Amino acid sequence: KQEVTQIPAALSVPEGENLVLNCSFTDSAIYNLQWFRQDPGKGLTSLLLIQSSQREQTSGRLNASLDKSSGRSTLYIAASQPGDSATYLCAVRVSLTQGGSEKLVFGKGTKLTVNP
Amino acid sequence: GAVVSQHPSRVICKSGTSVKIECRSLDFQATTMFWYRQFPKQSLMLMATSNEGSKATYEQGVEKDKFLINHASLTLSTLTVTSAHPEDSSFYICSARTWADTQYFGPGTRLTVL
Repeated sequence: KQEVTQIPAALSVPEGENLVLNCSFTDSAIYNLQWFRQDPGKGLTSLLLIQSSQREQTSGRLNASLDKSSGRSTLYIAASQPGDSATYLCAVRVSLTQGGSEKLVFGKGTKLTVNP
Repeated sequence: GAVVSQHPSRVICKSGTSVKIECRSLDFQATTMFWYRQFPKQSLMLMATSNEGSKATYEQGVEKDKFLINHASLTLSTLTVTSAHPEDSSFYICSARTWADTQYFGPGTRLTVL
């Protein structure tokens, strides 16, 4: 059974700091890995998607890496801003056996607070 | 980007009543729609997957008779929580997958059962 773990559960940093969020998964048989942002009481916004054959993806101040063999991914945020404060979720897309459909398996998230 | 809407955004109901939540893909046709549930400080848990015109596939441990899913068209899916109880209080999020295999999430519905 695929399990996704995110460390740390919460992180508080001063504005301008570079930071790294970690995600690990137990089964390397994934189609892709995705990082999402969730604001309080809101839905999810996709930030970056890394296919299983890729090593990293970049978008603006965000860079996500994927090491499928070791079951790890990191999300690097450069020059953090108060507007980056949110919960960041990592999810892997897996195929289910026994006729089940593909699905996303989520971690519990890292709650990031960037202080002005 | 593509937009997925949910209605209502928040609902409070009495124990024993049924609640219907709508999920719509506003500017694209969704091949598949997903329903998730998120308890406080927990991850999103997939409840069921539905394809237009066919029965939903429920995850293990999710009661199909309690959580009724109807996927009437390529742009609309509904989740009905029947005979809701306080333990059903949660944040329900739908997601729609496009023909290009991209998944978009709705803004969520906060259900509180008194």
